[in-house]
Amino acid sequence: DAGVIQSPRHEVTEMGQEVTLRCKPISGHDYLFWYRQTMMRGLELLIYFNNNVPIDDSGMPEDRFSAKMPNASFSTLKIQPSEPRDSAVYFCASSPDMDIQYFGAGTRLSVL
Amino acid sequence: AQSVAQPEDQVNVAEGNPLTVKCTYSVSGNPYLFWYVQYPNRGLQFLLKYITGDNLVKGSYGFEAEFNKSQTSFHLKKPSALVSDSALYFCAVRPPMDSSYKLIFGSGTRLLVRP
Repeated sequence: DAGVIQSPRHEVTEMGQEVTLRCKPISGHDYLFWYRQTMMRGLELLIYFNNNVPIDDSGMPEDRFSAKMPNASFSTLKIQPSEPRDSAVYFCASSPDMDIQYFGAGTRLSVL
Repeated sequence: AQSVAQPEDQVNVAEGNPLTVKCTYSVSGNPYLFWYVQYPNRGLQFLLKYITGDNLVKGSYGFEAEFNKSQTSFHLKKPSALVSDSALYFCAVRPPMDSSYKLIFGSGTRLLVRP
């Protein structure tokens, strides 16, 4: 298996633009997580899904953030409108059993 | 509040020497404990976990961790460090009574192994 695949790897955009981050989990994994990593706040869980259903979105910072999982092999994290403080590395992870999470390589987002 | 602490931002060690990366936790009950490693420009990779049983847990790349309930610690160790072990290490805990299954990550410790 190729592991968790995230795209794009890097994204540079201007304030106010819409940003969409994509994730393909490992086949057969029932759980999918979105994290954000910054120097100031470390690694933060934004939202996670179980069997394509959002279970806990308490970490989503604002209404500007939304996440979807239309099927078992694809998820998106959207920021609209983006702001400079959204600049971070965003990770997607999947898990078969909630014990071990498998992380993608991340998307480095820069909002100018 | 449930939390994980990694008291050292950075640990420096010479190649061949033993290394320890510290982690303490504050949760109710018996937690599930994990160590992950992050290499530059990569996602986190699972190293090892403690659920129950033997307090000494062995993981990937020769790493091991010791669970100490009385000290609420779960320190990561390796008998002989390699330069390639240089990376960012994260301790994480999942509270046993938390049905949300969320992991709480520490702030990370950067390990630098010098040749």
